[in-house]
Amino acid sequence: GAGVSQSPSNKVTEKGKDVELRCDPISGHTALYWYRQSLGQGLEFLIYFQGNSAPDKSGLPSDRFSAERTGGSVSTLTIQRTQQEDSAVYLCASSQDRGTATNEKLFFGSGTQLSVL
Amino acid sequence: GESVGLHLPTLSVQEGDNSIINCAYSNSASDYFIWYKQESGKGPQFIIDIRSNMDKRQGQRVTVLLNKTVKHLSLQIAATQPGDSAVYFCAENIEGDSSYKLIFGSGTRLLVRP
Repeated sequence: GAGVSQSPSNKVTEKGKDVELRCDPISGHTALYWYRQSLGQGLEFLIYFQGNSAPDKSGLPSDRFSAERTGGSVSTLTIQRTQQEDSAVYLCASSQDRGTATNEKLFFGSGTQLSVL
Repeated sequence: GESVGLHLPTLSVQEGDNSIINCAYSNSASDYFIWYKQESGKGPQFIIDIRSNMDKRQGQRVTVLLNKTVKHLSLQIAATQPGDSAVYFCAENIEGDSSYKLIFGSGTRLLVRP
């Protein structure tokens, strides 16, 4: 596609429920990143995919968070048993080649605003 | 730990003036830096980048300066326009155990007064 697409744009859920956030990267981009942005804050790294593999999961805050990528394209970030502190904007970015390992730019989607009540 | 930070959380400038947004970084091994602009409700948008073997790079109305001696990065916007109002983030590329990733600062809000 023309840009990174994320869905849904907004998600309201109840505490304890599971949520799935979707990211469609730019076609042909092999590197994919998930970041989280709390209100008024910077971006917090969550996970990095190279193809379908995730060599760096170091930013996932707990085992309630997981992500997968299939076909080297679409990625899904899953949060189980959501908590109020999970409320944030979840941003996905994609990049050519090996991402910032080769100094490639990251292109971001508009994010999913997650609100946990 | 290593971090990227900004000196000023909010910068207010008059339309037409030049803006300077500053950023300090602490990882001397970082070799690549990027500035992003984020408008309300949107994802960060790439503005300009610079590699550590350079000290200045210019784009359209924007210039990034890198001072490795004092680990300082700045973004200069010439003839600031209302459309420049946004939050600006600097980011540094850090090599971790298993990958490179961008580490972002907390951002500076730029307000352009008409």
